[in-house]
Amino acid sequence: QQPVQSPQAVILREGEDAVINCSSSKALYSVHWYRQKHGEAPVFLMILLKGGEQKGHEKISASFNEKKQQSSLYLTASQLSYSGTYFCGTDAYSGAGSYQLTFGKGTKLSVIP
Amino acid sequence: GAVVSQHPSRVICKSGTSVKIECRSLDFQATTMFWYRQFPKQSLMLMATSNEGSKATYEQGVEKDKFLINHASLTLSTLTVTSAHPEDSSFYICSAPEGTNYGYTFGSGTRLTVV
Repeated sequence: QQPVQSPQAVILREGEDAVINCSSSKALYSVHWYRQKHGEAPVFLMILLKGGEQKGHEKISASFNEKKQQSSLYLTASQLSYSGTYFCGTDAYSGAGSYQLTFGKGTKLSVIP
Repeated sequence: GAVVSQHPSRVICKSGTSVKIECRSLDFQATTMFWYRQFPKQSLMLMATSNEGSKATYEQGVEKDKFLINHASLTLSTLTVTSAHPEDSSFYICSAPEGTNYGYTFGSGTRLTVV
């Protein structure tokens, strides 16, 4: 089942902060975050594993609340290069010993000067 | 870091012909390869999961006879779109779990246009 992302789109001025949320109705093994630029393949940002954790990657960090099956991506002091569509991917057990990564619909982030 | 090389990056084909898309893991062994399709301004939708040496698992609504997947070795998985039609035009992306940091590495994608 596809995770739900919010907001669908956000426009920021350089230096502003943003939060992108991702929630799932399924028990999750992990949550992944990716950024995709127009016409390109998604690029892996980070993964948060079951157990509830927070991670940071330069000025981009994320949290994972396992109990609530929610994750949030935090972008601080945004830069022009942060523009793109952000997808969360939820990794859940799909049966027969395998896991499956399902993507949300994406959040389009536009950073303007 | 791990790299998945995907070819071709763009292809235009005539309706009714077949197109093969290749994904190779260059510096790791990809026992599993996921194939996604992405329509403009939409999310990536999982089409099928291929496992080396066994039959692919297709998602509901994906025709296995139309989208042939072969995963003959630990470094190569292919997707063949058979008898392509204009509605098959899309961005196709492969992805493999890389292992070390548990992330998935994506190929660069193939933009298929069927005319």
